[in-house]
Amino acid sequence: DSGVTQTPKHLITATGQRVTLRCSPRSGDLSVYWYQQSLDQGLQFLIQYYNGEERAKGNILERFSAQQFPDLHSELNLSSLELGDSALYFCASSADNTEAFFGQGTRLTVV
Amino acid sequence: AQKVTQAQTEISVVEKEDVTLDCVYETRDTTYYLFWYKQPPSGELVFLIRRNSFDEQNEISGRYSWNFQKSTSSFNFTITASQVVDSAVYFCALTGAASKLTFGTGTRLQVTL
Repeated sequence: DSGVTQTPKHLITATGQRVTLRCSPRSGDLSVYWYQQSLDQGLQFLIQYYNGEERAKGNILERFSAQQFPDLHSELNLSSLELGDSALYFCASSADNTEAFFGQGTRLTVV
Repeated sequence: AQKVTQAQTEISVVEKEDVTLDCVYETRDTTYYLFWYKQPPSGELVFLIRRNSFDEQNEISGRYSWNFQKSTSSFNFTITASQVVDSAVYFCALTGAASKLTFGTGTRLQVTL
């Protein structure tokens, strides 16, 4: 158990819909990262938050947004969903400049 | 830009064989960190090791060992006496001045009896 909790584990939704993925980092970790794993793109970095502030942005679509709350949990919002957004979404957390520990992922299926 | 190359897409071995997974990286950062993660069939990403760019000492942990060679920009991972439970996809990753991870495409290891 990595100590990073992601909910839900599975999500099936229709095109055009909006979903929210939730992540609770390991106790004490201030950094939260979101990654997307798809068959064609592999593991791609989406965005990082550190202590509530956005720190780095990767290949995140404009239809996607994230935030980190005062209690350090984070949410990734995906809107106007397309079939191609189907993927495994991982949250990871770390103390600064150390290894990142990953949650079990949320498998999103858009139908 | 950073890049991680795992040229081996899939490797199949018979249990008890030794197997080496290759990883080659590119970075312009002088300080960077290299990682290996394991993704078993259940899907989670399991952290295995972190190495910083100033520490070229090889590391051994049980049946796992890692060979970091800065001269060839490689960070290879060897499993000795492989077991069926080692079957997974293994990812090499790199982080530099920014703390986001750049992953390789992964190597799928299949260990059979």
